[in-house]
Amino acid sequence: GDSVTQMEGPVTLSEEAFLTINCTYTATGYPSLFWYVQYPGEGLQLLLKATKADDKGSNKGFEATYRKETTSFHLEKGSVQVSDSAVYFCALNRPTGTASKLTFGTGTRLQVTL
Amino acid sequence: GAVVSQHPSRVICKSGTSVKIECRSLDFQATTMFWYRQFPKQSLMLMATSNEGSKATYEQGVEKDKFLINHASLTLSTLTVTSAHPEDSSFYICSGAGNSYEQYFGPGTRLTVT
Repeated sequence: GDSVTQMEGPVTLSEEAFLTINCTYTATGYPSLFWYVQYPGEGLQLLLKATKADDKGSNKGFEATYRKETTSFHLEKGSVQVSDSAVYFCALNRPTGTASKLTFGTGTRLQVTL
Repeated sequence: GAVVSQHPSRVICKSGTSVKIECRSLDFQATTMFWYRQFPKQSLMLMATSNEGSKATYEQGVEKDKFLINHASLTLSTLTVTSAHPEDSSFYICSGAGNSYEQYFGPGTRLTVT
């Protein structure tokens, strides 16, 4: 079945450091890929997505590129801020014309310090 | 983005009792709602998918008689954990999807069964 593997956290960085959170997936066919973020006490929010190979999703300075050859969708940000501290989830689904279920990774907690 | 609320945010109940969790889409009509369960340091695991007015579709291994899901309107879905036991203690998260098929997540409900 489908699965998503992401690096274990927590990841602790100083403000303005470069961020990479690795995500790889196992799925047949051409799933859509997502990064969700969960701030403390809040629900998951969609951060960015990519629906086909070589697509780059970007939002709020975060980027991730859909790499089919390496089945990866790594999240990057050039300069993190304290406000980026949250848990980040990589996920995939299979668009079926209706809302379809998401398969999530375990989540990676990011802590950014001054 | 669209807003989904959950109530209660935390609940403690005694073993053998039932507890109901509400999930509401506040500013959109959720034709599909999903219920997830999250264990500490683990992925969100999909429990069931429900379409308004239809019976929920449960994932393999999820007891439908224990986790009763009702999706009677386009803005409300409920999850009732019947005869709860300590192993049912977990973090339960719902999401709703409307015409755009993007899922909007609630903030989650922490259930503790003593």
